[in-house]
Amino acid sequence: QVQLHESGPGLVKPSETLSLTCTVSGGSISTYYWSWIRQTPGKGLEYLGYIYFTGNSYYNPSLRGRVTISLDTPKNQFSLKVTSVTAADTAIYFCARRAVNDYYFDFWGHGTLVTVSS
Amino acid sequence: DIQMTQSPSSVSASVGDRVTITCRASQDIGIRLAWYQQTPGEAPKLLIYPAFTLQHGVPSRFSGSASGTGFTLTISSLQPEDSATYFCQQATDFPLTFGGGTRVEI
Repeated sequence: QVQLHESGPGLVKPSETLSLTCTVSGGSISTYYWSWIRQTPGKGLEYLGYIYFTGNSYYNPSLRGRVTISLDTPKNQFSLKVTSVTAADTAIYFCARRAVNDYYFDFWGHGTLVTVSS
Repeated sequence: DIQMTQSPSSVSASVGDRVTITCRASQDIGIRLAWYQQTPGEAPKLLIYPAFTLQHGVPSRFSGSASGTGFTLTISSLQPEDSATYFCQQATDFPLTFGGGTRVEI
């Protein structure tokens, strides 16, 4: 059974960079599409983007170029960076696996709360 | 972006009740719609994809249907373990988008 686990700081200062890592167990990261999604009370669930094992990636234009997703194949991990954060980036961040030939998510992490505050 | 409008935002029902949740897409997405169940502190769980295909291990009291750009998730006989938030997601076009969620309370 594939499992995903998010990790990283729970508190980030405004204007700094939010960094999270997702560790994948029970399956290889060298296939499928690996995504980040966040959830806020006001905006609900927001898709941030994905990375494929080839390095191909997509980012939601709503984040205006502030998002980067990268892959660490030897560690079976992928990571998220969001630059120049503001309070609006306070959210529960989920990592998820997206199907190869379709656009739904078959496995998710539990999510991790990141608060942006000084 | 494709907008997903989900209703109601919350519903309170009793064990054994039939519960229906609706999701409407702002444009044609065919049957490429997923339903998820989210309980606090747990990983969201894929219930249905595409619009009416139950995932392996999901109880048969859950069902999905589609009509045009409208989609429905039905719980035929509500159980205590079904207390959760349910949300839909369109799987047609990027950026992938989600409904606002429906909180089901027992």
